[in-house]
Amino acid sequence: DAKTTQPNSMESNEEEPVHLPCNHSTISGTDYIHWYRQLPSQGPEYVIHGLTSNVNNRMASLAIAEDRKSSTLILHRATLRDAAVYYCILRDGGTGNQFYFGTGTSLTVIP
Amino acid sequence: DTGVSQDPRHKITKRGQNVTFRCDPISEHNRLYWYRQTLGQGPEFLTYFQNEAQLEKSRLLSDRFSAERPKGSFSTLEIQRTEQGDSAMYLCASSFPTTVHEQYFGPGTRLTVT
Repeated sequence: DAKTTQPNSMESNEEEPVHLPCNHSTISGTDYIHWYRQLPSQGPEYVIHGLTSNVNNRMASLAIAEDRKSSTLILHRATLRDAAVYYCILRDGGTGNQFYFGTGTSLTVIP
Repeated sequence: DTGVSQDPRHKITKRGQNVTFRCDPISEHNRLYWYRQTLGQGPEFLTYFQNEAQLEKSRLLSDRFSAERPKGSFSTLEIQRTEQGDSAMYLCASSFPTTVHEQYFGPGTRLTVT
C-alpha cells in the first residue's frame, strides 16, 4: 500500500486558514487521496477525497499537486472544534476497500 | 438515524478471558469494517464484510480473533484468550459499497486487558 507522510503536529490561530500537507510520492494512478479526522475520544470522520482535480465541500478543500505526489487539506477558517488528528490516506480505487491510516497530523487551534 | 453504535464502550478483562464486542451499522449500509487503534497510532484495518460475507481479513487478525455478521446487519468481534497486547480501541465503520470513500465510524470499544 502506498505510504503518506504528514507532519506530526501543527498549530493554527482560530479563524485563520490552515494548510495541512501530505506527501505521497509513491502514489499510483488508481489511488484516491482521502482525508479523515479524529476528534478526541471519537471515531474518525470523513472530510474529503479526490483523485486528480481539486475538490471543495462544506468542510474543507483539497488541493492536489499536478504530479499527484502531494496534496494539501485546506480548512478555510479554523475553529476550536477543528482541533483533531487529520489523516491523509491513499486507497486503490480499483481494489481497495479499506483504509490504511498513518499517524496523522495533530492540529491545535489557538484561541 | 443515530449512526454507527458499538457496545460496550469500555471493557476491562483479565488476560486469558474471551471478550465479544458488538457493532450496529447504519441501517442502509451493507459494508461493515473493523479497525483497531492503539494509543498514538492511526486505526489499523482488521476485516470487512459485505452483507454477511467476510470479504477480507488483515494479517493482524490472528486466529484468536473472529468476526461475524450472520444476518448482514450487526456484527460481532470476538477475541479469545486475550493478551495484554490486545488492549486497544476497537472501531467499527460502515458504508455503502458504492461510497467506500466515506466510511462512518462508531465511537469504538476500549478494551483493557489486565
